Parts: sequence; structure tokens; C-alpha cells
Amino acid sequence: DAGVTQTPRHEVAEKGQTIILKCEPVSGHNDLFWYRQTKIQGLELLSYFRSKSLMEDGGAFKDRFKAEMLNSSFSTLKIQPTEPKDSAVYLCASTSLNTEVFFGKGTRLTVV
Amino acid sequence: QQQVRQSSQSLTVWEGETAILNCSYENSAFDYFPWYQQFPGEGPALLIAIRSVSDKKEDGRFTIFFNKREKNLSLHIKDSQPGDSATYFCAASGAGFASALTFGSGTKVIPCLP
Repeated sequence: DAGVTQTPRHEVAEKGQTIILKCEPVSGHNDLFWYRQTKIQGLELLSYFRSKSLMEDGGAFKDRFKAEMLNSSFSTLKIQPTEPKDSAVYLCASTSLNTEVFFGKGTRLTVV
Repeated sequence: QQQVRQSSQSLTVWEGETAILNCSYENSAFDYFPWYQQFPGEGPALLIAIRSVSDKKEDGRFTIFFNKREKNLSLHIKDSQPGDSATYFCAASGAGFASALTFGSGTKVIPCLP
């Protein structure tokens, strides 16, 4: 059984570009989360979906960040336009009721 | 305001000794407290978790001690080994398993030879 799959593993973008990060949750999981991880801020919640409905979005991230669940097995996180301060590791995670939260390996984004 | 706080950014522990990682939280509605272990280049992975109805949870060399009244908990890693070198995150959520986790800032554990 595959875990959470994130692509690409690494992304380099120029300031002002639009980038799209992809996530495939564990098959059968209903809940999907996007987190941003930096050394200074740690893990910050960007978005939380339950059964494809947006349950929670990190207030500070509404401006240029948009997460979508296109279907129950695929989600994207769009950052538009990118800024150097967006450089971080973006983690996708999934779970279903009464199971643990599983994380992907993350996408390391560098904005130059 | 940080809802989940880990008191140490890093912790050096002698191999064979017990590492103690501390965590505190603000929100009384939190009832599920997992600890995650993260190695470089990997996503966090669940290590051990406790619900607020319990005050202790043990799994092999890892034990969580939970104090609901004081709103704090600790992770004890017995017999520290080189393979324990990782960053450990305390997290919390309400409404059981299926709600967004709030994470502490992490504690990097560094086992070293005596």
C-alpha cells in the first residue's frame, strides 16, 4: 500500500512565477492536509480538507496560496505569485477516522 | 501565541541514557497528543500517541507522561541510541484523530558517546 506521494520532491522557481505542487493521499483516506515547514516557524497548517470539502485554511496563507482537491485521490497546492519567503518544505498528509496521520516526504521549494 | 510549545530546540543525551523531551499546550479542548519523529529529507512519522483520558502510554523504549491539570506532557526515550538522532515534534488536536494537528517547534535529539 503506497503512502502519501508528493511531486516534485524539489522545485526551484523564480520570484513571481506560479508553481503547483501535487499530492496523492493514502488510498481510502478522507482527510488531507497541507503544511509548510521552515526552521523558524516549524510546521504551519495551510489547508485541511475532509471528503474534498475545505474545513480549515491557514488565515495567513489565503492571499497567494490555493489548495484544491480535484478528486478524493489527488490534491494540488498552487502558489501564485511566488516570493523568496515562500522557500520551505511543503508537506502533504492524509488520514481517515481512527487512523494515524501519514505524511509524504515533502516538496522542497526554493524561490530565487 | 504558540498553542503547543516545546521547551528545547535541541537535546544532547549520552547513549544508553534516557532523553526527556518536554511539551506544553494552551488549548483545553485538545484531547489527542501524538509525537512525531522526523529524519532529514523525510516527512514526520508517528512515533507514539496518547489521549487525554490517560496519563501514561508506553511503547518499547518510548513513553509519554501526560498531566492534564498542568497541560503538559513529556516523551521519554530510554536507552538512547545513535538511530534516535532525529527531530521530535509534539502535536495536539481536538475531536479525536481526524482533525488538523497543531505542532510544536520540534526538539532535535543528538545522542553522543559517553
